[in-house]
Amino acid sequence: DAGITQSPRYKITETGRQVTLMCHQTWSHSYMFWYRQDLGHGLRLIYYSAAADITDKGEVPDGYVVSRSKTENFPLTLESATRSQTSVYFCASSERQLNTEAFFGQGTRLTVV
Amino acid sequence: AQKITQTQPGMFVQEKEAVTLDCTYDTSDQSYGLFWYKQPSSGEMIFLIYQGSYDEQNATEGRYSLNFQKARKSANLVISASQLGDSAMYFCAMRSLIQGAQKLVFGQGTRLTINP
Repeated sequence: DAGITQSPRYKITETGRQVTLMCHQTWSHSYMFWYRQDLGHGLRLIYYSAAADITDKGEVPDGYVVSRSKTENFPLTLESATRSQTSVYFCASSERQLNTEAFFGQGTRLTVV
Repeated sequence: AQKITQTQPGMFVQEKEAVTLDCTYDTSDQSYGLFWYKQPSSGEMIFLIYQGSYDEQNATEGRYSLNFQKARKSANLVISASQLGDSAMYFCAMRSLIQGAQKLVFGQGTRLTINP
């Protein structure tokens, strides 16, 4: 099916563990984004990518690592999870043009205990 | 730096009334796009409407319109004839070119509740 999918949908992990959230899109969109959503903060940009092998930091990149070896995949890794990283994570993709909207995955609810 | 500000954490409106959700933005870029998204309680992000910085007319999409005032750097969403199904979180977002790459940043959101 065409679209953007995130996995897992729900994840519980322990403090200090490494965890990777997956994001896959089937449109071959150039841009991909990772956000975290927390009450009172809206969606904050973690990392974004303009193309394969091109990534940039967003507003809150500390504690996260991304890679983009293929256009369709944009995994987000928490190197050593902390309780403050408990959040809902959204991945999005869009075409290159400035006037195109981003399409969002369904989100991953991550709990760090 | 880019910044989106939504000053209304929550709004309560009677069904069938019109509602305006505020959004102000800050950017030094000349070319940018402004978006509104809706997030119902189910959690998905739904695109509603887009306004380009060079567009002279306000964007409209069905019951949604965007009141774009460039000099004031505001991009308010207007929903006409509100319905119970409009109850949701609403996010304003801006996309612009930063050093050759595009960022898409969001505001804090406004929770809209439509009362019957």
